[in-house]
Amino acid sequence: DTGVSQNPRHKITKRGQNVTFRCDPISEHNRLYWYRQTLGQGPEFLTYFQNEAQLEKSRLLSDRFSAERPKGSFSTLEIQRTEQGDSAMYLCASVESGTGYGYTFGSGTRLTVV
Amino acid sequence: KNEVEQSPQNLTAQEGEFITINCSYSVGISALHWLQQHPGGGIVSLFMLSSGKKKHGRLIATINIQEKHSSLHITASHPRDSAVYICATPETSGSRLTFGEGTQLTVNP
Repeated sequence: DTGVSQNPRHKITKRGQNVTFRCDPISEHNRLYWYRQTLGQGPEFLTYFQNEAQLEKSRLLSDRFSAERPKGSFSTLEIQRTEQGDSAMYLCASVESGTGYGYTFGSGTRLTVV
Repeated sequence: KNEVEQSPQNLTAQEGEFITINCSYSVGISALHWLQQHPGGGIVSLFMLSSGKKKHGRLIATINIQEKHSSLHITASHPRDSAVYICATPETSGSRLTFGEGTQLTVNP
């Protein structure tokens, strides 16, 4: 297992376009998190999945954002009608919920909306 | 809601110096994470600790549960240690993390 993988690493898009990011967690980890990080700030929670179930969404996640984890493995985060304020680093992390050990982050997807 | 505060926000050191970064949190926790983030964004987990002290190479992390405080120390600092160091706490084991704002460390040769 090579850890948590995120694609793409970088995405530049025009305002109003839709974008989709993918996260492949560590296969044994049943919990998957999405965070957003803006410049100079610590990451902020967006949403998480326990297996395929999306159990919590932050109020930061407007209705333009949607996330899925259809088979309890990889997850996608889609942003519709992107705005300049969506420009940020989007981080994915996975963990085994029982122990909390092995909390592992991906390298992130840096989104720039122009 | 747990509040996590780090100090200092920025730290510049000369190579070889002993570095200390502090983290305070407001709510009792199950464990605390220290993370390292290099330019480019990827986050690496350095430590997860729930009591006492852990050491890995030149890095040492300590936590005082009663005082709700943790420190990350770097001995014999090196320019390659330059990065953002972030502390983070989960509410329960495996739950989402609340992050501090990070400490930007720059080690000059």
